[in-house]
Amino acid sequence: NAGVTQTPKFRVLKTGQSMTLLCAQDMNHEYMYWYRQDPGMGLRLIHYSVGEGTTAKGEVPDGYNVSRLKKQNFLLGLESAAPSQTSVYFCASSSTANTEAFFGQGTRLTVV
Amino acid sequence: AQSVTQLDSHVSVSEGTPVLLRCNYSSSYSPSLFWYVQHPNKGLQLLLKYTSAATLVKGINGFEAEFKKSETSFHLTKPSAHMSDAAEYFCVVSAALNTGFQKLVFGTGTRLLVSP
Repeated sequence: NAGVTQTPKFRVLKTGQSMTLLCAQDMNHEYMYWYRQDPGMGLRLIHYSVGEGTTAKGEVPDGYNVSRLKKQNFLLGLESAAPSQTSVYFCASSSTANTEAFFGQGTRLTVV
Repeated sequence: AQSVTQLDSHVSVSEGTPVLLRCNYSSSYSPSLFWYVQHPNKGLQLLLKYTSAATLVKGINGFEAEFKKSETSFHLTKPSAHMSDAAEYFCVVSAALNTGFQKLVFGTGTRLLVSP
């Protein structure tokens, strides 16, 4: 029972490089989310999706792009990484907007 | 706008003693409230949730929380701490975006330390 799986788990990037974080869920959930977690700030919503083919901006979307081509996958892209994007990134999914969210184990990204 | 304030960044208890993690919320309507736990280098796991049913909510691992509208509080308690409870705890409120979507708004977290 995999739940929500994120790849990779760790990554170090140089400033200006690009990368894509992959999130996959096997619970047939409609809603998927990307959060970033920084010390003392809790989790902040980057982008979210309410269904296949849809995406929307959260509270801190700048510097990120997302795609939801398949219902089970939600990709987070960094086109030109900056040190301010050093963070732990969490993907989550839920069946509806106001129910329990299931989280992946996180991706620790360092931009040098 | 909906928000939550976790009143303590760190709480230290001894094993076997009660746990109290404090959370106050701000919401313009009847909120849904959650507590999540995060163990080191792990994802977040739901402990319990309040969605306007009973004001005393029981969760997993012996945790419970009481919704008090008059005090705008949703404190998390456990009668007797175990070493395995050492983790970071997040109080969360649902909030409506202008798109009509409801998102989760996280508090800044409380780190629970349990000593033998």
